[in-house]
Amino acid sequence: ETGVTQSPTHLIKTRGQQVTLRCSSQSGHNTVSWYQQALGQGPQFIFQYYREEENGRGNFPPRFSGLQFPNYSSELNVNALELDDSALYLCATLTRGRSTDTQYFGPGTRLTVL
Amino acid sequence: KNEVEQSPQNLTAQEGEFITINCSYSVGISALHWLQQHPGGGIVSLFMLSSGKKKHGRLIATINIQEKHSSLHITASHPRDSAVYICAVCRYGGSQGNLIFGKGTKLSVKP
Repeated sequence: ETGVTQSPTHLIKTRGQQVTLRCSSQSGHNTVSWYQQALGQGPQFIFQYYREEENGRGNFPPRFSGLQFPNYSSELNVNALELDDSALYLCATLTRGRSTDTQYFGPGTRLTVL
Repeated sequence: KNEVEQSPQNLTAQEGEFITINCSYSVGISALHWLQQHPGGGIVSLFMLSSGKKKHGRLIATINIQEKHSSLHITASHPRDSAVYICAVCRYGGSQGNLIFGKGTKLSVKP
């Protein structure tokens, strides 16, 4: 049990639609990262939020955006969905600044775009 | 060429066997993670290493910073160890949450 939850667990959308995925973490985990994992591949870093501001971004277009809230929950928004957006989306949280800290991963949201 | 390479891609073992999974990386790192991913997606962090060796139960992880190589060993393997094992590195100077992942090693342990 990592204390990180994600919702929904599964989601089916059609091309062009917009989607919001949610992540909740333990209190004290002030940093959240989002990853996209295509089938058979390792996760790819989308972006990270720290203290409600974006703090690093991978090679993803602006239609991938996020929010982090004061209660440590977070959202990933994807606009104008494309077929290639079909993937498992993972969030991971940690407490920034602790050198011994590790990341706690959520169970993921599996998004299918038709 | 991927910045993080794992070998083998797939591994089948008999229960009780000693297992080694390898990870090589090409960037300077501040830390390396070994993760376990079960069918359905959930990822569990096994180890975070910046030097030397760590042990937890039947799992041992080692890292050689000079050679840019890490290994994950499983002693006395068991069918419940069947999962995908992923190596991920935190690039030196990068934020802690920005990991570069390998593609994973799919382990299947037969009874």
